Amino acid sequence: LAKTTQPISMDSYEGQEVNITCSHNNIATNDYITWYQQFPSQGPRFIIQGYKTKVTNEVASLFIPADRKSSTLSLPRVSLSDTAVYYCLVGDIDYGQNFVFGPGTRLSVLP
Amino acid sequence: DGGITQSPKYLFRKEGQNVTLSCEQNLNHDAMYWYRQDPGQGLRLIYYSQIVNDFQKGDIAEGYSVSREKKESFPLTVTSAQKNPTAFYLCASSTLKGELFFGEGSRLTVL
Repeated sequence: LAKTTQPISMDSYEGQEVNITCSHNNIATNDYITWYQQFPSQGPRFIIQGYKTKVTNEVASLFIPADRKSSTLSLPRVSLSDTAVYYCLVGDIDYGQNFVFGPGTRLSVLP
Repeated sequence: DGGITQSPKYLFRKEGQNVTLSCEQNLNHDAMYWYRQDPGQGLRLIYYSQIVNDFQKGDIAEGYSVSREKKESFPLTVTSAQKNPTAFYLCASSTLKGELFFGEGSRLTVL
């Protein structure tokens, strides 16, 4: 199972772009990279998923270099409501039981 | 609306009692999961089920039991054998692309 490493915490200010990097040196060929957001006392919510290069949706972008040993979640112009814990998961999407939720990155957005 | 419904939201248990947490989904997903989350920690997998009438132990199954008699339902029983059951419990289901959908969680406190 691919192990991931993320910063424990990050601070940002409203309106700034936030980039959270996840390291996954032993990612396997069939593994996808998925990011989730979790607010206190709620279940995590899917943000974005990718395999290589760049993926963008209405809330975030995911950048994955050619070697796929890391990935960066980019949140454009964050607001106070983006304060949450962000999890990076790496795994084969056919085996959801193998997705491992580490401690994540606690993002604090300040006014 | 489609989603995962967990109940109860809060539950108190005396030592030595078994309690059952309900999880229902109307997303027509085959795979379902139970996770446990302790304060400041990531999620840990308790049990998962990929199909009706079949389930597998996750990383921390001791002291827990599940059933999967219907596609829509995946209840979790916290037995008296679980020595430290106070935690936040999350149920999820997943799409074929590995996207996890979570319920709002059940917070269990042992008195």
